[in-house]
Formats: sequence, C-alpha cells, structure tokens
Amino acid sequence: GENVEQHPSTLSVQEGDSAVIKCTYSDSASNYFPWYKQELGKGPQLIIDIRSNVGEKKDQRIAVTLNKTAKHFSLHITETQPEDSAVYFCAASNQAGTALIFGKGTTLSVSS
Amino acid sequence: EAQVTQNPRYLITVTGKKLTVTCSQNMNHEYMSWYRQDPGLGLRQIYYSMNVEVTDKGDVPEGYKVSRKEKRNFPLILESPSPNQTSLYFCASSPRHRANTEAFFGQGTRLTVV
Repeated sequence: GENVEQHPSTLSVQEGDSAVIKCTYSDSASNYFPWYKQELGKGPQLIIDIRSNVGEKKDQRIAVTLNKTAKHFSLHITETQPEDSAVYFCAASNQAGTALIFGKGTTLSVSS
Repeated sequence: EAQVTQNPRYLITVTGKKLTVTCSQNMNHEYMSWYRQDPGLGLRQIYYSMNVEVTDKGDVPEGYKVSRKEKRNFPLILESPSPNQTSLYFCASSPRHRANTEAFFGQGTRLTVV
C-alpha cells in the first residue's frame, strides 16, 4: 500500500525566513497531494493541495511542488510569521481513492 | 457554518466499557472517515464510508466499529475499549465519494482508557 515519508520532524526558523518540508510517496498511482496545518487543540485544516497533472501551485506565501518522476512533493512557506507555528502534515491519496495516507508530521516553530 | 462536529471532546473511560464517539457534518458530504492520531505516528485511518450504508476498513480497524445510517452521521463505536486505544481521534468528511479531495476535520476527541 501507499507509504508517505515526511522530513524533517521538527523545524525551527526565524521570522521572515523560508521553511521547506519534504515528503516522498511510494504509490505511483497517487494523484492527490494535500498539505494540512494543525494548530494546538484543533483538527487539521487544508492549506494547499496539488494534483498529479500539475507541477507547482502557489497561494500567497505558500507553495507546493510535485515531482512525479521522483515521487516527492514539498511545501514551501516564505516570509514565515509566528502564526505559522504549527504541525504540518503531508498526505497522498491511495490508488483506489478511498483514503489519504498521512506523513508523520513536522512541527514548525517560528521565533520572532 | 459548515463544520464537522465530534462529541465528546474529552473522554476518560475504563477498560471494557462500551463507548460511542459521535460525528456529524452539515455539508452534505458523501465521504466520511475516522482517524486516530498518536505521537510520532501521524494520522492513521480507522474506517471510512463512501456513502450511506457503505463502510470499509482503513489501516487500523481492530477494536472499532462504525455505522452510516444517515448521510450526516458517522459514529465510532468501541465495543470493549482497551488502553492501547488511548488516542486522539478525528472525524473527517469530503465531498464526492472519494478521499482525493479536500477533507474537513472535526475538532478531535481525546480518549483515555484506563
């Protein structure tokens, strides 16, 4: 079945710096790759997603890139702010489209 | 407001005492799913449902049951809870009949089994 690896597990940056989180997936049939942000005490919330027919997608300070050949995708956050501090999860849909397989998460800390 | 509502938010119970965690969504979504979140393991799918009366196992279904009698509700049932089911549980829903679209998560239920 699908397996998603996420790195790093923790990331500390200074306010204004960029942050990059990387994920790899195993199932070449996966076609949907969302990123979720989880703040303390809350459920995960979608921040950006990308489908397999697109190589890059951007939404203000957040961007996601997808390399289908290498089976990896990355989240890029520019000009980080303290409110970006949270746990970030990548995910990939399984071949049947019946589940999202999540990475283990990255705890991002942005210090001012 | 569009949302997924789970109850209760916190629950402490004893081993073997049956419990139900409710989940309700008001977005008319076809797909619903339960996940558990454990430190260092991320989110793992327990069960999912693609429509009313259609449910199937996820990656970690042992010890759990679900039902989908109505579109909006998807309760998670632990018939005989054990300490290894102590975890943070999330219900999620998605439009269409598949998981490969945006998932909306509830606020979570923190369950402790002693």
